[in-house]
Amino acid sequence: GAGVSQSPSNKVTEKGKDVELRCDPISGHTALYWYRQSLGQGLEFLIYFQGNSAPDKSGLPSDRFSAERTGGSVSTLTIQRTQQEDSAVYLCASSLEGLMNTEAFFGQGTRLTVV
Amino acid sequence: KNEVEQSPQNLTAQEGEFITINCSYSVGISALHWLQQHPGGGIVSLFMLSSGKKKHGRLIATINIQEKHSSLHITASHPRDSAVYICAVRSYGGSQGNLIFGKGTKLSVKP
Repeated sequence: GAGVSQSPSNKVTEKGKDVELRCDPISGHTALYWYRQSLGQGLEFLIYFQGNSAPDKSGLPSDRFSAERTGGSVSTLTIQRTQQEDSAVYLCASSLEGLMNTEAFFGQGTRLTVV
Repeated sequence: KNEVEQSPQNLTAQEGEFITINCSYSVGISALHWLQQHPGGGIVSLFMLSSGKKKHGRLIATINIQEKHSSLHITASHPRDSAVYICAVRSYGGSQGNLIFGKGTKLSVKP
């Protein structure tokens, strides 16, 4: 596609339910990143993929969070047993190479609300 | 103390004014990014710097590695420049995507 696409754009879920957030990066971009922006907070790093591998998943806040990437393309961020503190905008970005060499292109984000 | 500090937090300017947003960081870095986040939430990458200065249209970004400081300048500001501007750094030894973000500077340009 022309840009990074995220779905859904908005998700309201009940506490305790599992959610899956999807990211379609720009075609050909080998690097993919997930970030989170909580209300009133700055952006925080969650996980970074190079191809299908995740060299850095240090930002995942708990073992309820997981992510995978298949075919070097689409990535899914899964949050199990959602809690109210998980409410945030989840942003995905991709770049042609790593962020040392190329700029990142961001999706519009998924706004997750846990009620 | 945050590792990346931006100032000011909020900035209101009149159309046509020259604007400067500052970013100071406390860690050794290999790259610094300036991002723009519009009211709808979409984020656009403006610049990636590791040294010196870059210019794109009315936007200029500079970085001083020794002083651990970067500035984003907007010349001839326009209401469409109204957005949150975010500074982010990649620290030495950090992975490619592990950016440390500032809290952003909210810019409002009045016509």
